[in-house]
Amino acid sequence: DGGITQSPKYLFRKEGQNVTLSCEQNLNHDAMYWYRQDPGQGLRLIYYSQIVNDFQKGDIAEGYSVSREKKESFPLTVTSAQKNPTAFYLCASSSRTGRPYGYTFGSGTRLTVV
Amino acid sequence: DAKTTQPPSMDCAEGRAANLPCNHSTISGNEYVYWYRQIHSQGPQYIIHGLKNNETNEMASLIITEDRKSSTLILPHATLRDTAVYYCIVRADTGTASKLTFGTGTRLQVTL
Repeated sequence: DGGITQSPKYLFRKEGQNVTLSCEQNLNHDAMYWYRQDPGQGLRLIYYSQIVNDFQKGDIAEGYSVSREKKESFPLTVTSAQKNPTAFYLCASSSRTGRPYGYTFGSGTRLTVV
Repeated sequence: DAKTTQPPSMDCAEGRAANLPCNHSTISGNEYVYWYRQIHSQGPQYIIHGLKNNETNEMASLIITEDRKSSTLILPHATLRDTAVYYCIVRADTGTASKLTFGTGTRLQVTL
């Protein structure tokens, strides 16, 4: 079945270390997105990419970096510059037309920095 | 995208209809109303969307007022598995991919 795979589900890192979250999709979607969710809050957009080798900053891009070398993959790196990285991270994808009913989300990665 | 306002929480007895309101008084003529829900620690799931006519699918019904300034998502027979946060989103179908903006939504608690 087609879908989005995020790994790992839980991730623990020491403060000051960079960490990369994986997101892979086999839906043949052009666009991919990274969102961050804090307890009791809605989702906030970190970065998105509409096509390979192109990406744009979202609302809270500081302290994060992404790459889009393949259509299927959109990894997110949480750098040591991110002041409060502990959160639930969600990856999503959509077709290039981006109709909102066509968004598919992964099951998320819960990052805890100690 | 137009701003939406939802109550922070609601309760519903299992088997009863859950009616979740959303205000979007600044909605433009080309903007659709979309509903997603997020069950705890999972990614959001699309439920339904509409422009101006009422819509129904296997999950829910969407009632949009004639002036389109508000809408109601109806889960006709709520079950415990419908306990989730429900997000109302307003966005134009521009034909190009761009961000979806999620507010804080309505936390629906379905009880026995």
